[in-house]
Amino acid sequence: DVKVTQSSRYLVKRTGEKVFLECVQDMDHENMFWYRQDPGLGLRLIYFSYDVKMKEKGDIPEGYSVSREKKERFSLILESASTNQTSMYLCASSFSIRDLSYEQYFGPGTRLTVT
Amino acid sequence: EDQVTQSPEALRLQEGESSSLNCSYTVSGLRGLFWYRQDPGKGPEFLFTLYSAGEEKEKERLKATLTKKESFLHITAPKPEDSATYLCAVFQGAQKLVFGQGTRLTINP
Repeated sequence: DVKVTQSSRYLVKRTGEKVFLECVQDMDHENMFWYRQDPGLGLRLIYFSYDVKMKEKGDIPEGYSVSREKKERFSLILESASTNQTSMYLCASSFSIRDLSYEQYFGPGTRLTVT
Repeated sequence: EDQVTQSPEALRLQEGESSSLNCSYTVSGLRGLFWYRQDPGKGPEFLFTLYSAGEEKEKERLKATLTKKESFLHITAPKPEDSATYLCAVFQGAQKLVFGQGTRLTINP
């Protein structure tokens, strides 16, 4: 069974704080992704990584950065949290072989509230 | 621009009342269409991948089908535990998925 875990289910932070969200997958997947999900806006891709130390911007990267130092771990960083970053954050991973990617598996999500 | 549109936005059924959810897509060169189930406050759970028109996949009371322009998720004799939001997605580029807005399904006992 694929398992994607996220460091926290619920997090409350103050405006201006630096926030770290961590994601770990145990299936040796090449690709990892960070999404945010908001009512009426659906799932939106923030960043993704297709290899260690590699990253690519998604659709809404502003205000976020990422780090992938090890294959199994992908971190999302909010450099200075703002109230409009209150959201559900979802991590996912997927397998690739010869430039073909397969289904993404999601973690349980982190509900972040910035006050 | 690649797009995924799901309908209806919400569907309420009685237990045992079969129905279908629709996912229409516009993408150049489909490389995979995915169905997920999402319970409130949780991450999406992978259900099916469909790759080519005419393909069908089944799991318990769910059956997913694919044509050249749309996919259907058929639910047969649903139970209250099938209540969830169902999402579909297609590949955009090599690794990225573009998701539909989802159909919120409620099964009343």
